[in-house]
Amino acid sequence: TQLLEQSPQFLSIQEGENLTVYCNSSSVFSSLQWYRQEPGEGPVLLVTVVTGGEVKKLKRLTFQFGDARKDSSLHITAAQPGDTGLYLCAGAFYNQGGKLIFGQGTELSVKP
Amino acid sequence: DTEVTQTPKHLVMGMTNKKSLKCEQHMGHRAMYWYKQKAKKPPELMFVYSYEKLSINESVPSRFSPECPNSSLLNLHLHALQPEDSALYLCASRKRTSGQRDEQFFGPGTRLTVL
Repeated sequence: TQLLEQSPQFLSIQEGENLTVYCNSSSVFSSLQWYRQEPGEGPVLLVTVVTGGEVKKLKRLTFQFGDARKDSSLHITAAQPGDTGLYLCAGAFYNQGGKLIFGQGTELSVKP
Repeated sequence: DTEVTQTPKHLVMGMTNKKSLKCEQHMGHRAMYWYKQKAKKPPELMFVYSYEKLSINESVPSRFSPECPNSSLLNLHLHALQPEDSALYLCASRKRTSGQRDEQFFGPGTRLTVL
């Protein structure tokens, strides 16, 4: 069974704080996506990481893919209320029909 | 353009009704997906179409019937649903490029309520 463990599941912080979300697996992924979802809307793709050790930055968000392509992290610097939402990591296996393995999600609440 | 559109946005139906959900993408992607999502949970895969053929059915009950009329359109026909089928139904399309980059782009979803 392919699992992707995401932590923490819930995070409530004050505006301006930093946070990190982790996704870990025993499986090697060909790529890993991070999505952000607001209530009642579909997930929006934030970034895709492909290469082991890869680091990508999107404004205050930093994404890292582990060297062995089994784990990833999302770090948010100086969180803002607009960052509030459900963050999902999803691992892909290139030749397995496009199935994504989703983490359980991190519900982030940033209070002003 | 990475847009996947879904209609309707909201749907309320009785257990004896027949309704359909629609999904459309014009990105030239050749794989499309239906997912079901309960509140604050990750999406659960239902069906995958690849080159307009059903390639994956995740043991979904027959009251859900997918259809792919062409490479841009995906339908989900609903009949005799149960209240526990109430959820956000998401459509996605898949972009594959070289170097093992594999991305899915989701539509905004249809919020389905079964009474």
